[in-house]
Amino acid sequence: GDSVTQMEGPVTLSEEAFLTINCTYTATGYPSLFWYVQYPGEGLQLLLKATKADDKGSNKGFEATYRKETTSFHLEKGSVQVSDSAVYFCALSGGNQGGKLIFGQGTELSVKP
Amino acid sequence: DAGVIQSPRHEVTEMGQEVTLRCKPISGHDYLFWYRQTMMRGLELLIYFNNNVPIDDSGMPEDRFSAKMPNASFSTLKIQPSEPRDSAVYFCASSLAGLRSLFFGSGTQLSVL
Repeated sequence: GDSVTQMEGPVTLSEEAFLTINCTYTATGYPSLFWYVQYPGEGLQLLLKATKADDKGSNKGFEATYRKETTSFHLEKGSVQVSDSAVYFCALSGGNQGGKLIFGQGTELSVKP
Repeated sequence: DAGVIQSPRHEVTEMGQEVTLRCKPISGHDYLFWYRQTMMRGLELLIYFNNNVPIDDSGMPEDRFSAKMPNASFSTLKIQPSEPRDSAVYFCASSLAGLRSLFFGSGTQLSVL
Protein backbone atom coordinates (compact mmCIF):
# COMPACT_ATOMS: atom_id res chain seq x y z
CA GLY A 1 0.00 0.00 0.00
CA ASP A 2 0.91 3.66 -0.10
CA SER A 3 3.46 4.83 2.45
CA VAL A 4 5.68 7.74 3.46
CA THR A 5 9.14 7.50 5.03
CA GLN A 6 10.88 10.42 6.72
CA MET A 7 14.34 10.79 8.16
CA GLU A 8 14.46 10.11 11.85
CA GLY A 9 14.86 12.90 14.32
CA PRO A 10 15.52 14.75 16.36
CA VAL A 11 17.36 17.16 14.11
CA THR A 12 19.26 19.81 16.05
CA LEU A 13 20.56 22.91 14.27
CA SER A 14 21.94 26.29 15.16
CA GLU A 15 20.03 29.39 14.17
CA GLU A 16 20.61 30.42 10.52
CA ALA A 17 21.75 26.91 9.52
CA PHE A 18 20.47 25.18 6.38
CA LEU A 19 17.72 22.62 6.89
CA THR A 20 16.91 19.49 4.93
CA ILE A 21 14.37 16.90 6.08
CA ASN A 22 14.20 13.94 3.74
CA CYS A 23 10.91 12.38 2.67
CA THR A 24 10.33 9.54 0.23
CA TYR A 25 7.09 7.89 -0.71
CA THR A 26 5.56 4.80 -2.28
CA ALA A 27 2.30 5.24 -4.10
CA THR A 28 0.30 4.00 -7.02
CA GLY A 29 -0.77 6.63 -9.48
CA TYR A 30 0.05 10.29 -9.02
CA PRO A 31 -0.37 11.45 -5.43
CA SER A 32 -0.41 14.96 -4.06
CA LEU A 33 2.33 15.61 -1.51
CA PHE A 34 2.24 17.72 1.64
CA TRP A 35 4.33 18.98 4.52
CA TYR A 36 2.59 19.68 7.80
CA VAL A 37 4.08 21.29 10.91
CA GLN A 38 3.06 20.69 14.52
CA TYR A 39 4.07 23.16 17.22
CA PRO A 40 4.02 22.00 20.84
CA GLY A 41 0.51 21.52 22.19
CA GLU A 42 -1.14 22.24 18.86
CA GLY A 43 -2.67 20.39 15.94
CA LEU A 44 -0.98 19.94 12.58
CA GLN A 45 -0.94 22.87 10.19
CA LEU A 46 -0.44 22.70 6.45
CA LEU A 47 2.97 24.14 5.57
CA LEU A 48 3.10 23.55 1.82
CA LYS A 49 1.94 21.19 -0.88
CA ALA A 50 2.58 20.07 -4.45
CA THR A 51 0.06 18.33 -6.66
CA LYS A 52 2.10 17.11 -9.63
CA ALA A 53 5.61 16.16 -10.64
CA ASP A 54 8.20 18.98 -10.67
CA ASP A 55 5.87 21.31 -8.75
CA LYS A 56 7.57 23.29 -6.00
CA GLY A 57 5.61 24.10 -2.88
CA SER A 58 6.81 27.01 -0.77
CA ASN A 59 5.75 28.90 2.34
CA LYS A 60 7.47 30.89 5.12
CA GLY A 61 10.89 30.29 3.57
CA PHE A 62 10.36 26.52 3.35
CA GLU A 63 10.43 24.74 -0.01
CA ALA A 64 9.91 21.23 -1.32
CA THR A 65 9.98 19.92 -4.90
CA TYR A 66 7.90 16.95 -6.06
CA ARG A 67 10.46 14.59 -7.65
CA LYS A 68 8.67 11.72 -9.37
CA GLU A 69 11.88 10.08 -10.62
CA THR A 70 13.24 9.71 -7.08
CA THR A 71 9.81 9.53 -5.37
CA SER A 72 10.93 12.25 -2.99
CA PHE A 73 9.62 15.48 -1.48
CA HIS A 74 12.45 16.80 0.70
CA LEU A 75 11.80 19.87 2.86
CA GLU A 76 14.41 22.65 2.81
CA LYS A 77 14.95 26.04 4.36
CA GLY A 78 17.97 28.22 3.82
CA SER A 79 18.18 29.78 7.29
CA VAL A 80 16.25 28.35 10.21
CA GLN A 81 15.06 30.31 13.22
CA VAL A 82 14.38 29.25 16.79
CA SER A 83 10.68 29.68 16.05
CA ASP A 84 10.92 26.87 13.45
CA SER A 85 11.38 24.33 16.24
CA ALA A 86 8.51 21.88 15.78
CA VAL A 87 7.66 18.43 14.42
CA TYR A 88 7.39 18.18 10.64
CA PHE A 89 5.23 15.58 8.88
CA CYS A 90 5.39 14.55 5.25
CA ALA A 91 2.15 13.17 3.79
CA LEU A 92 0.58 12.00 0.57
CA SER A 93 -2.91 11.83 -0.81
CA GLY A 94 -3.43 9.48 -3.71
CA GLY A 95 -6.27 9.22 -6.18
CA ASN A 96 -7.44 5.98 -4.62
CA GLN A 97 -7.24 7.17 -1.01
CA GLY A 98 -10.73 8.59 -0.89
CA GLY A 99 -9.61 11.91 0.51
CA LYS A 100 -7.43 10.66 3.35
CA LEU A 101 -3.77 11.48 3.92
CA ILE A 102 -1.02 8.99 4.64
CA PHE A 103 1.49 10.54 7.07
CA GLY A 104 5.13 9.81 7.75
CA GLN A 105 6.27 9.32 11.32
CA GLY A 106 7.30 12.94 11.81
CA THR A 107 10.72 14.57 12.30
CA GLU A 108 11.39 16.72 15.31
CA LEU A 109 13.44 19.86 14.63
CA SER A 110 15.14 21.77 17.42
CA VAL A 111 16.83 25.07 16.58
CA LYS A 112 19.26 26.51 19.15
CA PRO A 113 20.09 30.23 19.37
CA ASP B 1 -14.00 30.82 10.11
CA ALA B 2 -13.11 29.49 13.56
CA GLY B 3 -11.42 26.39 12.20
CA VAL B 4 -11.96 22.86 13.45
CA ILE B 5 -13.16 22.94 17.05
CA GLN B 6 -12.59 20.05 19.42
CA SER B 7 -13.75 19.57 22.97
CA PRO B 8 -12.68 19.00 25.61
CA ARG B 9 -9.01 20.04 25.32
CA HIS B 10 -8.06 17.77 28.18
CA GLU B 11 -9.84 14.75 29.63
CA VAL B 12 -8.74 12.73 32.62
CA THR B 13 -10.78 9.68 33.47
CA GLU B 14 -10.54 6.37 35.23
CA MET B 15 -10.27 3.01 33.56
CA GLY B 16 -13.67 1.62 32.67
CA GLN B 17 -15.37 4.97 32.25
CA GLU B 18 -16.99 6.14 29.04
CA VAL B 19 -15.26 8.96 27.19
CA THR B 20 -16.82 11.11 24.48
CA LEU B 21 -14.75 13.43 22.32
CA ARG B 22 -16.44 16.06 20.18
CA CYS B 23 -15.61 17.79 16.94
CA LYS B 24 -17.09 20.59 14.88
CA PRO B 25 -15.58 20.69 11.37
CA ILE B 26 -15.10 23.76 9.23
CA SER B 27 -18.39 24.80 7.67
CA GLY B 28 -18.76 23.48 4.14
CA HIS B 29 -16.15 20.76 4.47
CA ASP B 30 -17.40 17.35 3.40
CA TYR B 31 -14.69 15.09 4.84
CA LEU B 32 -14.05 14.52 8.53
CA PHE B 33 -11.20 12.50 10.00
CA TRP B 34 -10.33 11.20 13.46
CA TYR B 35 -6.63 10.62 14.21
CA ARG B 36 -4.84 9.40 17.31
CA GLN B 37 -1.27 10.45 18.14
CA THR B 38 1.09 8.68 20.52
CA MET B 39 4.84 8.67 20.92
CA MET B 40 5.04 4.97 20.15
CA ARG B 41 2.76 4.76 17.13
CA GLY B 42 2.83 8.29 15.73
CA LEU B 43 -0.24 9.58 13.93
CA GLU B 44 -2.87 6.91 13.21
CA LEU B 45 -6.03 7.39 11.18
CA LEU B 46 -8.95 5.88 13.09
CA ILE B 47 -11.93 6.60 10.86
CA TYR B 48 -13.13 9.08 8.30
CA PHE B 49 -16.45 10.28 6.96
CA ASN B 50 -17.58 11.73 3.67
CA ASN B 51 -20.86 13.64 3.69
CA ASN B 52 -21.57 12.25 7.18
CA VAL B 53 -21.17 8.63 6.03
CA PRO B 54 -18.34 6.50 7.47
CA ILE B 55 -16.05 5.50 4.60
CA ASP B 56 -13.18 3.67 6.28
CA ASP B 57 -13.10 2.57 9.91
CA SER B 58 -10.32 0.03 9.53
CA GLY B 59 -8.14 2.03 11.89
CA MET B 60 -10.53 1.80 14.83
CA PRO B 61 -8.61 -0.29 17.36
CA GLU B 62 -11.46 -2.43 18.64
CA ASP B 63 -15.15 -2.51 19.43
CA ARG B 64 -14.67 -0.23 22.41
CA PHE B 65 -14.27 2.63 19.93
CA SER B 66 -17.18 4.08 17.99
CA ALA B 67 -17.68 7.26 15.98
CA LYS B 68 -20.73 9.04 14.69
CA MET B 69 -21.48 12.01 12.51
CA PRO B 70 -25.19 12.82 12.87
CA ASN B 71 -24.92 15.96 10.74
CA ALA B 72 -22.43 17.99 8.73
CA SER B 73 -21.38 20.12 11.69
CA PHE B 74 -20.79 17.60 14.46
CA SER B 75 -19.00 14.34 15.13
CA THR B 76 -18.22 12.28 18.22
CA LEU B 77 -15.66 9.64 19.05
CA LYS B 78 -16.64 7.44 21.97
CA ILE B 79 -14.57 4.99 23.96
CA GLN B 80 -16.46 2.61 26.21
CA PRO B 81 -14.99 1.25 28.40
CA SER B 82 -11.77 3.24 28.40
CA GLU B 83 -8.38 1.67 29.19
CA PRO B 84 -5.00 3.19 30.13
CA ARG B 85 -3.59 2.26 26.71
CA ASP B 86 -6.14 4.62 25.13
CA SER B 87 -4.22 7.56 26.57
CA ALA B 88 -3.19 9.73 23.61
CA VAL B 89 -3.95 12.96 21.81
CA TYR B 90 -6.99 12.61 19.57
CA PHE B 91 -7.25 14.95 16.60
CA CYS B 92 -10.18 15.75 14.40
CA ALA B 93 -9.57 17.16 10.92
CA SER B 94 -11.77 18.24 8.04
CA SER B 95 -11.27 18.89 4.36
CA LEU B 96 -13.03 19.81 1.17
CA ALA B 97 -13.06 17.31 -1.67
CA GLY B 98 -10.70 18.34 -4.44
CA LEU B 99 -8.38 20.37 -2.20
CA ARG B 100 -6.96 17.38 -0.30
CA SER B 101 -5.57 19.64 2.42
CA LEU B 102 -6.61 18.67 5.93
CA PHE B 103 -7.35 21.27 8.60
CA PHE B 104 -6.73 19.99 12.10
CA GLY B 105 -8.26 20.90 15.42
CA SER B 106 -6.12 21.50 18.50
CA GLY B 107 -6.71 17.99 19.77
CA THR B 108 -8.00 16.36 22.94
CA GLN B 109 -5.38 15.13 25.38
CA LEU B 110 -6.88 11.99 26.93
CA SER B 111 -5.44 10.42 30.06
CA VAL B 112 -6.97 7.18 31.33
CA LEU B 113 -5.78 6.32 34.82
